[in-house]
Parts: sequence; C-alpha cells; structure tokens
Amino acid sequence: DVKVTQSSRYLVKRTGEKVFLECVQDMDHENMFWYRQDPGLGLRLIYFSYDVKMKEKGDIPEGYSVSREKKERFSLILESASTNQTSMYLCASSSLGVRYTFGSGTRLTVV
Amino acid sequence: KQEVTQIPAALSVPEGENLVLNCSFTDSAIYNLQWFRQDPGKGLTSLLLIQSSQREQTSGRLNASLDKSSGRSTLYIAASQPGDSATYLCAVRQGGSEKLVFGKGTKLTVNP
Repeated sequence: DVKVTQSSRYLVKRTGEKVFLECVQDMDHENMFWYRQDPGLGLRLIYFSYDVKMKEKGDIPEGYSVSREKKERFSLILESASTNQTSMYLCASSSLGVRYTFGSGTRLTVV
Repeated sequence: KQEVTQIPAALSVPEGENLVLNCSFTDSAIYNLQWFRQDPGKGLTSLLLIQSSQREQTSGRLNASLDKSSGRSTLYIAASQPGDSATYLCAVRQGGSEKLVFGKGTKLTVNP
C-alpha cells in the first residue's frame, strides 16, 4: 500500500527551539507539500516542492523553511519555534493527474 | 484568487438517510477537484477525484459531481452509516499549478 509517513504523531517543543518535521513518501511522486491545519482556518499551504532541491513558498511561509535533498523525503523546519506555530502539520505528495496522498499528521505543541 | 466554500459547516442526520454535501469555487479554470475525508486527529483520505473534463465519479455509496461552469461540486452519500461520521473537504487544483485550494470542510455526524 502506498504511503506518506510523518515521523512523529505528537511533538512538544519549547519556544525558541529548532524543530524538524520529517515526511517520507514511497510513491516516487515529484511533488510534496506541507500544510498546517487550524480550527476555523482550514488547511493552509506552507511550502511545496516539485523536484529535488526545488521549493516554492505557499501562503504562509514565514517562520518556516524546507529541505528536499532526496525525492522521497521532504522536511519542514521551524527555525525558532513560537507558540503561534502550535498546530497540526500535514504532509502530502502527488504526481501529475494523480490524487494527493496525505500523511497521518503531526500535532505540534510549542510551550 | 481561487476561493473554495463548503456549506453547511456541520450536518447531523439519522442513519440511513441519503445526503448531499456542497462545494463551490470562484474560478472555473480548474484542472481537477478532489473530495477528502478526515477523521478527528488524523490525516486526509482521498475519496474521489474528478478531472475537469468529467461530470461525475462514483465509488461505492459515494458519488461526486462537477459543474465547472457554475463553479459547483456535490458529494452524494447514499444510505449513510455512523461510520461515515467525519469531516469532508473538497479541494480544487488550478490549471498550471500543482497546489490544491481547500474548503474548510463539512463536519458530518450520522446518528444511529
């Protein structure tokens, strides 16, 4: 069964810490995405990548960066975590004309 | 800028009822539209994908229709069951873009 795997289901970090969220897909998809989901705001795109080492800002990139060194792995980095980055983070992958596949999500709490 | 709206935000129905969830979008130049299901605290599961050239797609008790010219899609669920309780989201992909624009979802509760 094809999968998008997010390394952590729950994460608690302290304000100011550097946080890495990892996502791995096994479908050889070109495109990978990071969203955050908040009550009342829905899903908002943070960054996406359409190829190795290629990235593009989404709607809310401030405070985040990404890394894609290998096709199957897309990392989201919070350079200095803040409490307003407490959220559910969802990774997804896709290929042209193919359905998006989402991971199970990482619930990040910044204290 | 594309905007996707889902009405109602929440819906509660008795088991066995047929129901329709609505999705509207402002820019008709879409490449495709997807319906997703999300269980509490979980990721999204893709239910149906409709390409812009298609009018509908079916999977089991689910049927999704697309009217691009009017900017509307509906998800029809036949003979609803308590296990259908979840949040349903629609998302559109614009032509020339790999990004999806999501609605905020309809939270469905099916009561036994």
